[in-house]
Amino acid sequence: EAQVTQNPRYLITVTGKKLTVTCSQNMNHEYMSWYRQDPGLGLRQIYYSMNVEVTDKGDVPEGYKVSRKEKRNFPLILESPSPNQTSLYFCATGPRANEKLFFGSGTQLSVL
Amino acid sequence: AQKITQTQPGMFVQEKEAVTLDCTYDTSDPSYGLFWYKQPSSGEMIFLIYQGSYDQQNATEGRYSLNFQKARKSANLVISASQLGDSAMYFCAMRAGGTSYGKLTFGQGTILTVHP
Repeated sequence: EAQVTQNPRYLITVTGKKLTVTCSQNMNHEYMSWYRQDPGLGLRQIYYSMNVEVTDKGDVPEGYKVSRKEKRNFPLILESPSPNQTSLYFCATGPRANEKLFFGSGTQLSVL
Repeated sequence: AQKITQTQPGMFVQEKEAVTLDCTYDTSDPSYGLFWYKQPSSGEMIFLIYQGSYDQQNATEGRYSLNFQKARKSANLVISASQLGDSAMYFCAMRAGGTSYGKLTFGQGTILTVHP
């Protein structure tokens, strides 16, 4: 079964404590990307990756890091989270950027 | 820079009627793609329809069609014969062209409520 697995679903943390949100796909897709969703702002792209070892900034990359060491995984790293990073995060993947994206279930992050 | 605008924060429609959700975009790239996604209250993101900038015909997927007017830079979603299950948030999105091929920009979303 085609899956995009995102973990954790919910996370409460404190300012400055490094965290990683994982994203894994079993569809052998080249394209993966991360978004944050905030009320009234829709989804905003954080980073995207066109293939292994190829990553690029989206519209709101500040405060986030990513890596793409293997095709199936695309973790999102918050080195020093701040309260303004409290948001709903989605990972998405697709065969190419111009085809439909498969989204993970989302991670609700609260930074206190 | 590319931009997507959805001017309708909320829309209401009667069951079995058609509804149009508006989306306008702005880009200087000649090559781009336009998407619509649905987000029910459960939170998942569901792909509905895709239109490429060079596609000659409007995209259709079942009850969904995309009214693509390139000169006006609009990509409205038309849902025919609305169903109660269509009640959700709808997002318009645009993929960039050129060197920013993987960049995807979403609109603010429109909440659609279908009344019985």
